[in-house]
Amino acid sequence: QQQVKQSPQSLIVQKGGISIINCAYENTAFDYFPWYQQFPGKGPALLIAIRPDVSEKKEGRFTISFNKSAKQFSLHIMDSQPGDSATYFCAASWHTGKLIFGQGTTLQVKP
Amino acid sequence: DAGVIQSPRHEVTEMGQEVTLRCKPISGHDYLFWYRQTMMRGLELLIYFNNNVPIDDSGMPEDRFSAKMPNASFSTLKIQPSEPRDSAVYFCASRGGGGRNTGELFFGEGSRLTVL
Repeated sequence: QQQVKQSPQSLIVQKGGISIINCAYENTAFDYFPWYQQFPGKGPALLIAIRPDVSEKKEGRFTISFNKSAKQFSLHIMDSQPGDSATYFCAASWHTGKLIFGQGTTLQVKP
Repeated sequence: DAGVIQSPRHEVTEMGQEVTLRCKPISGHDYLFWYRQTMMRGLELLIYFNNNVPIDDSGMPEDRFSAKMPNASFSTLKIQPSEPRDSAVYFCASRGGGGRNTGELFFGEGSRLTVL
């Protein structure tokens, strides 16, 4: 049932560097693609989201790039900070509201 | 405004016992989701409700799992009998937006279940 595939599983980046996490999907019925951030002991929280009619969305240091033809999307974290160390999940949603997640990427930003 | 409230936060039980996890969604939200998180399988969608009605329970692993939403402010996830492989963190999440699919779910802090 792995409809959203996420990579890498883990990522180590130096402070100030760029973190890039990639996701691929199969089902063209998905119409909403959010990213969630999870800190240890907490539930995931929405970070940024995009619809498939847009190729890029930027909010502060976080950018989603979306390639509809390739059925891929990615999260870029610019100027990565130690406080960004967390687990990141890409997700995809049907118009019915059903939302499924990728496997997650554990990001560690070294000071 | 209170967020999604889950209880218990931690539960340790023995194999074969019944486990009931509880969730209070954010007031006014009309969707409620139950997810299970493990290292091996990540965040799995178990079931979701819209206006208290179960819409998709295809992720419920077995008949040992059941979920109910008797009213807009309360939902339960029950495991009977529990098994060690059910050990996981169970999250409840809710969202509003009516018919619009914003994709933004608000998660509780989870219920960590350990079955010995």
